Amino acid sequence: QKEVEQNSGPLSVPEGAIASLNCTYSDRVSQSFFWYRQYSGKSPELIMSIYSNGDKEDGRFTAQLNKASQYVSLLIRDSQPSDSATYLCAGGGYSTLTFGKGTMLLVSP
Amino acid sequence: KAGVTQTPRYLIKTRGQQVTLSCSPISGHRSVSWYQQTPGQGLQFLFEYFSETQRNKGNFPGRFSGRQFSNSRSEMNVSTLELGDSALYLCASSSSYQETQYFGPGTRLLVL
Repeated sequence: QKEVEQNSGPLSVPEGAIASLNCTYSDRVSQSFFWYRQYSGKSPELIMSIYSNGDKEDGRFTAQLNKASQYVSLLIRDSQPSDSATYLCAGGGYSTLTFGKGTMLLVSP
Repeated sequence: KAGVTQTPRYLIKTRGQQVTLSCSPISGHRSVSWYQQTPGQGLQFLFEYFSETQRNKGNFPGRFSGRQFSNSRSEMNVSTLELGDSALYLCASSSSYQETQYFGPGTRLLVL
């Protein structure tokens, strides 16, 4: 059974700092990984997808994947109060996604 | 392109009733997945449909069922509602096998 683990947080960072969110997974079959952001009362919104080992950058966001260590991370540079949300990590495979329970990020002004 | 739509957005039901939720995927997307989200359990996969066929099913009781129509619209049904079924039900669509999923706004169900 696939499992995706995340620290529930909250992770508190000051405005302008780098926020580092981490995720581990237990199934080596997963080939694709996704980070979603979910604001309170809203549905998840895709931030990044990553399929290969290494880093992938998109604006202030960088996703990192290490398949040997079964580890995925998301770095948010220059964190803003509007980044305060729950971040969900998901592992994909065979048309389903397995989600972690999410890490709450709080960015203080 | 219009996003994923779900109706209704909010529902209040009583125990023992049944409910049907609807999801219209992004135009051209043929895969529709359903998830249940609760504060304690997070996002849990219910089932996934592709071209009117259920391809995958999560670990939920038979009271939870779904179907997909030829236009890719999907419905899920929950029969004999229980208090524990109160949750946010999310639908997500994707364009092909193992592709990125895009979520609708969800249907918030409250069972009294």
